[in-house]
Formats: sequence, structure tokens, C-alpha cells
Amino acid sequence: QVQLQESGPGLVRPSGTLSLTCGVSGGSISTSDWWNWVRQTPGKGLEWIGEVYHSGSTNYNPSLESRVTISVDKSKNQFSLKLTSVTAADTAVYYCARLSSINRSLRGFDAWGQGTLVTVSS
Amino acid sequence: EVVLTQSPGTLSLSPGERATLSCRASQSVSSNYLAWYQQKPGQAPRLLIYGASSRATGIPDRFSGIGSRTDFTLTITRLEPEDFAVYYCQQYGTSPLTFGGGTKVEIK
Repeated sequence: QVQLQESGPGLVRPSGTLSLTCGVSGGSISTSDWWNWVRQTPGKGLEWIGEVYHSGSTNYNPSLESRVTISVDKSKNQFSLKLTSVTAADTAVYYCARLSSINRSLRGFDAWGQGTLVTVSS
Repeated sequence: EVVLTQSPGTLSLSPGERATLSCRASQSVSSNYLAWYQQKPGQAPRLLIYGASSRATGIPDRFSGIGSRTDFTLTITRLEPEDFAVYYCQQYGTSPLTFGGGTKVEIK
């Protein structure tokens, strides 16, 4: 079964860029699924950041769209998140997750990474 | 965006009791794309229910979901010790995808 694993710096300076990668193992990223980023804070709960398809098509949360880029690297079977101009409000646990699609029917986020805490601080 | 409101915020129950969790949407959930997740401390959410009423792979049949349009319910028929956790609903039919604020099921 597919497994996801986030990687990247745990500390980012204010006004800097948060960069995370999600490695996909046990399956190909080039399927009918969508690959997502979600973050979680005590104050705002679970927040969807955006998603990417293996073709490179993306959808973003309008609340973050001006600062977010999600991309896919099929050769490495991974996808990535970049969030620019970060502030303390971007401190959160970041998860990557798969939105499963079978026979054109979406079946929820059935695979998640373990999550990685990213702290924005000087 | 579709706002999901979960109630109650906290449910205090004993093992063996029935838990009923509610999720109300601010507008109709497209294609009934409503999911329920369980999250324990320090862990990622785990998919329980998708499409409002379909159990995910490996989920025990004591978990069931029902609902359509704006009103959805997750029921746990007999609480096991491992079921005490936080439960979230999510709609994934309309972008931006959104989550509810969660219901904590705690031991009474």
C-alpha cells in the first residue's frame, strides 16, 4: 500500500520560504489520484493548502493562493510545497495526503504522511 | 467556501456506549463527498468514512455514516477503548476543501 513521507526544514525564518517534499512509496504518483498538502494548528484546526495532479494541474486554497506553489516530480515519485513570505501564523504541523480516485469517484484522503512540525521563528 | 460545523464539541461517554456525532454544512455538499476522520494525539488523521456512508478499508463495522446535502452523522455503535479520539468531517466536493472543527470523544 502507498506510504507518504514528508521531509524538509523544521525551522524557517520569518519572511522566508517554507519548502517541504512528500515522497511517495509503494505506488506510483502517476495515477488518477490527487496529491494534497494539509496543515494543522491548535488555533485553526485542519486547513487544506492545495493539491496537484501528476499532470501538474493544481488547485489552491484562496486564503493561501498568493503564497503557495505545489509541484510534482514524477521521476522522483514525489511532490512538493513552497510557501513564501511566512510568518509565525504559518507555524503548524504539515501533512501530505492522497485524495483517492477510483473509477472517477473520489474516496477521501486515504493515505497520509506522519506530519512534520514547521516552526517560523527568528 | 463550504463551512462545516461539528457538534457537540466534546462527547463524554463510557466504553460500550453509542456515540453520535453531527456535521452540518453551510451549503449542499457536492456529490455527497463527505468524509470522516479519526485523529489520536501525535498521529495523522485516519480515514473512516468517505462518500458520506462508505467505510474505508479496514474500518470496523461499528463505525457508520449517514447523511446528504447539508446534514451528516457519524455513529459509533459500541465504543471501544481505542475509539476515544478526535473526529473530523471534511467535504472534498468543492474547492477549497474544508474540514470541520472536530468533536472530541472522551472517556466519561
